This record gives sequence, structure tokens and C-alpha cells, in this order.
Amino acid sequence: KNEVEQSPQNLTAQEGEFITINCSYSVGISALHWLQQHPGGGIVSLFMLSSGKKKHGRLIATINIQEKHSSLHITASHPRDSAVYICAVFTVGRGSQGNLIFGKGTKLSVKP
Amino acid sequence: EPEVTQTPSHQVTQMGQEVILRCVPISNHLYFYWYRQILGQKVEFLVSFYNNEISEKSEIFDDQFSVERPDGSNFTLKIRSTKLEDSAMYFCASLWDVGGTEAFFGQGTRLTVV
Repeated sequence: KNEVEQSPQNLTAQEGEFITINCSYSVGISALHWLQQHPGGGIVSLFMLSSGKKKHGRLIATINIQEKHSSLHITASHPRDSAVYICAVFTVGRGSQGNLIFGKGTKLSVKP
Repeated sequence: EPEVTQTPSHQVTQMGQEVILRCVPISNHLYFYWYRQILGQKVEFLVSFYNNEISEKSEIFDDQFSVERPDGSNFTLKIRSTKLEDSAMYFCASLWDVGGTEAFFGQGTRLTVV
């Protein structure tokens, strides 16, 4: 069983739609990261969450530590939002250093 | 805006050759990681590095792999004898502190073994 599960795997939306991507995890974590990967391959950090909610522009990320669940929302989606969105959890460290465990990603396509 | 720099962006190598992938982490960061992503698959952990030594490594990180931080700035991943299945995107990441701080990723090195 994957330690980090994302849904959906693929998502197609029309420009302007409200989008939600979900992430569930089964391990103890110290933080959860939402990342964006564009077709060129580079990974950009969007949010780092350990509790509650964060907002940056049209992006909102929430986390429920008790339920081990996080959501990434995009309001008023735009074709430039098309990318793969990856949930990654930072595990409680074994020894001196923890590690990021990645979900498989959600491929988002926003049509004009 | 601080950034992690990786070179080269793309490397093509013959099977059996050695390659060195280079990363310059953010200067005051202390924790460093290498990850890889085979085309169409999820990002996988290779190795973590702190205080000039390996903290943890995955099953993927076998004897053909090594890492070092030779001069206090560069963080390198060496693959001694490349195999076809080593073809992947390799990402370097650095953090100032573990757990509660943002992870910064390089743009990746696309390694193609032929």
C-alpha cells in the first residue's frame, strides 16, 4: 500500500472551474508539501503545511492532521495551471533526518 | 529568491560509463537529498545527507551510487557504471531544517543511458 495516496490521478477542467485535489497519508509526518511539476520536469514548492490552512493567490491548501488528509484547491482555474500536482509528506525522522515520501501526482489539464 | 542549481540539465551517456550529477544547494541549508523520477512514475527517494555523511539511503542506492560534498558547496551524485534502467530525472533538494521548513528543489538532470 502506498504511504501517500492522491486523487484523482487525472483531472480535466474548464477554465474558471474550482478544482480540488486530495491527498491521504498513512505515516506519521512533521509536515506536508504540495509541489507543482510542469512538463519540463522541474519541481516547485507551492505550500508546506503542518496544520490548518494556507492561501497563496488562487491556491489554497488545507490539512487535517487527525484524519491524515490534505486538500489543494485552485479557484478560477486557468490553462497555465495545467501541471502535475504532487503531495509529499515529510516523515518523522528516523535517526537524525527525515525524508519526503511522494504521492504519484495528479495531472491537471485546464481547457480554455 | 534562493534556488538550488543542478548541472547538467541533460546528460546522455553510454551504458557502463560513470556519470557525476552536480547540485549547488542553498548556501545556509543543512540537509540535502537526491531523488529520481523514472519517466511516468513517481518521485523516489535515493539518499539523504547531513553533516557531511549519509543519513539514510533507499534500496535503490546500491554500491554503484555515491554522494559527496567535496568543497562545502557542491553536492554530487556519482553513478559508477550506468545501466539502462538508471535513465531518469534526478532531483536534488535542500532544506534548512527538517520537517517544518520548505523544501527547495533543483530543476533536475535528465539522464539518458544508451
